[in-house]
Amino acid sequence: DGGITQSPKYLFRKEGQNVTLSCEQNLNHDAMYWYRQDPGQGLRLIYYSQIVNDFQKGDIAEGYSVSREKKESFPLTVTSAQKNPTAFYLCASPTHSGNTIYFGEGSWLTVV
Amino acid sequence: AQTVTQSQPEMSVQEAETVTLSCTYDTSESDYYLFWYKQPPSRQMILVIRQEAYKQQNATENRFSVNFQKAAKSFSLKISDSQLGDAAMYFCAYRSTSSARQLTFGSGTQLTVLP
Repeated sequence: DGGITQSPKYLFRKEGQNVTLSCEQNLNHDAMYWYRQDPGQGLRLIYYSQIVNDFQKGDIAEGYSVSREKKESFPLTVTSAQKNPTAFYLCASPTHSGNTIYFGEGSWLTVV
Repeated sequence: AQTVTQSQPEMSVQEAETVTLSCTYDTSESDYYLFWYKQPPSRQMILVIRQEAYKQQNATENRFSVNFQKAAKSFSLKISDSQLGDAAMYFCAYRSTSSARQLTFGSGTQLTVLP
């Protein structure tokens, strides 16, 4: 079955470290999105990509970086510049028509 | 840029009663999709209902229905015969069909169902 796979599900980061969250899809979708969710809060857009080798900053891109070298993959790097990275991270990909949105199961990142 | 506003951070409803969650959005586009998603504590995103902007008829899925007012840019969700399993965070979402293809979520409404 087609879908989105996020890994790892749980990740611990030490202060000053960069970490990368993986998002892989086998849906042949062009668009992919990364969101951050803090406890009891909504989804805030970090980065999105509409096509391979192109991506755009969302509302809270500072301290994050992405790449889109392959259609299937849209990894998110949380850099040491992100001062408060502890959160739930969700990857999403809509169909081209826009009428269906697929989500990964999310990744929990904790700074220790 | 499109914005989606959910003005009710928290709502509660008695089991078997009806509750309505509000959502408004701002857009200059004429064609788009609107969604309601349910997020239980597991954080899994579960599609509740979807509305296509060019369809005037309000979408319905069993106990869930929407009141879509395109001119007013309003998209409320009505849950009838509320069940304990309906307790969750509910998100309203907007998906553009334009070249920008934005996917924007509201801030969510935490629904509590009282036994």
